[in-house]
Amino acid sequence: SYDLTQPPSVSVSPGQTANIPCSGDKLGFNYVSWYQQKPGQSPVLLMYQDAKRPSGIPERFSGSNSGNTATLTISGTQAMDEADYFCQAWDSGTAIFGGGTKLTVL
Amino acid sequence: QVQLQESGPGLLKSSETLSLSCTVSGASIKSYYWSWIRQTPGKGLEWIGYMYHGGNAKSNPTLKSRVSISMDTSKNQFSLSLTSVTTADTAIYYCARAACAGDCYFDFWGQGSLVTVSS
Repeated sequence: SYDLTQPPSVSVSPGQTANIPCSGDKLGFNYVSWYQQKPGQSPVLLMYQDAKRPSGIPERFSGSNSGNTATLTISGTQAMDEADYFCQAWDSGTAIFGGGTKLTVL
Repeated sequence: QVQLQESGPGLLKSSETLSLSCTVSGASIKSYYWSWIRQTPGKGLEWIGYMYHGGNAKSNPTLKSRVSISMDTSKNQFSLSLTSVTTADTAIYYCARAACAGDCYFDFWGQGSLVTVSS
């Protein structure tokens, strides 16, 4: 089965840049979506087709995907960005989610 | 604004059938793909399956034999049936809309419905 691997946690200082990686075999050949989930809430679509932001998502969120790694980048991280982040891709018609990364803004 | 709302029993016993419905407002279920996704502390997010109006349905191979997804266009609802549940099926179940253009991504989610399976 296809796996997407994310680090369990990433820490960042307010105002700095946070990079959250998601790795999978030849992931760059697939589109990747990213979701943000805050405690007690449903996931929210943050990025789709690697680097497209849905309406209402701040410009400080950006995405890239190449080789075996997709990356979600948060520039000028704010306290409100503290959340869990999940990557997602498709493999043989099945949606696969990464295990999630807890972003801590120190 | 598209809104989704799950409904159904929150407590089941092992071997019973889980049945959940999702009521959609702000969009017609005759368009887009409509999905079920669950979340557990141990396994994270797991895609269960989706359905498109007209009968095109697909489910996760790990659950395929137990999953059925159906639609009621008159109520703008779609439903999930998961048979022979075990404690491993205890999770928060989300319904979500999948927008598909090149690939599919889940752009609107329900608030989630906690389902607990007891032995």
